[in-house]
Amino acid sequence: NAGVTQTPKFRILKIGQSMTLQCTQDMNHNYMYWYRQDPGMGLKLIYYSVGAGITDKGEVPNGYNVSRSTTEDFPLRLELAAPSQTSVYFCASRGLAGLEQYFGPGTRLTVT
Amino acid sequence: DAKTTQPTSMDCAEGRAANLPCNHSTISGNEYVYWYRQIHSQGPQYIIHGLKNNETNEMASLIITEDRKSSTLILPHATLRDTAVYYCIVKGLGNAGNNRKLIWGLGTSLAVNP
Repeated sequence: NAGVTQTPKFRILKIGQSMTLQCTQDMNHNYMYWYRQDPGMGLKLIYYSVGAGITDKGEVPNGYNVSRSTTEDFPLRLELAAPSQTSVYFCASRGLAGLEQYFGPGTRLTVT
Repeated sequence: DAKTTQPTSMDCAEGRAANLPCNHSTISGNEYVYWYRQIHSQGPQYIIHGLKNNETNEMASLIITEDRKSSTLILPHATLRDTAVYYCIVKGLGNAGNNRKLIWGLGTSLAVNP
């Protein structure tokens, strides 16, 4: 299994641009999560999903959108990029009965 | 807000045991203690979890006090590759409400020195 994969690894955006961060897992996990991590800080939950077609807001959802059309994919959309969205973004997944989350390698995003 | 408090940083000599403390004085009866670690620039990695009994796996041991208000993660023979930020998190079992989410604090930055 590849586990949780994220693309791209790095991206630089200009203010006002939009982009989609991709996340895919091949473990048939029900739960998927998007976090952001600012330098020297812990992870903040942006959005999560408990299954295909179901998403919910986390702690810091403003400026982001998600969708979950399949079990495998959970893309994160930034519509109007702002410098405050400069961060490292991590995607994670968890099985319905599992207790641990599995994380992807992250996407480092810079907005200038 | 995170329900745990951890020291900001710790040092350990290579080959020695690393003991990382965590206070969770407001833990409720159905909440588990989880430990994750994050090696620089990588995604977090699950280490271990426990409810009230001590737990051991191939990575570490988890010692939880009898009143469950604190715990210690033990890396028995720390190596340079164990240098990372270690997060202690409490979360209830099940998939309803806040139990769907992990709330992350700042963790302990462990430096294993040669």
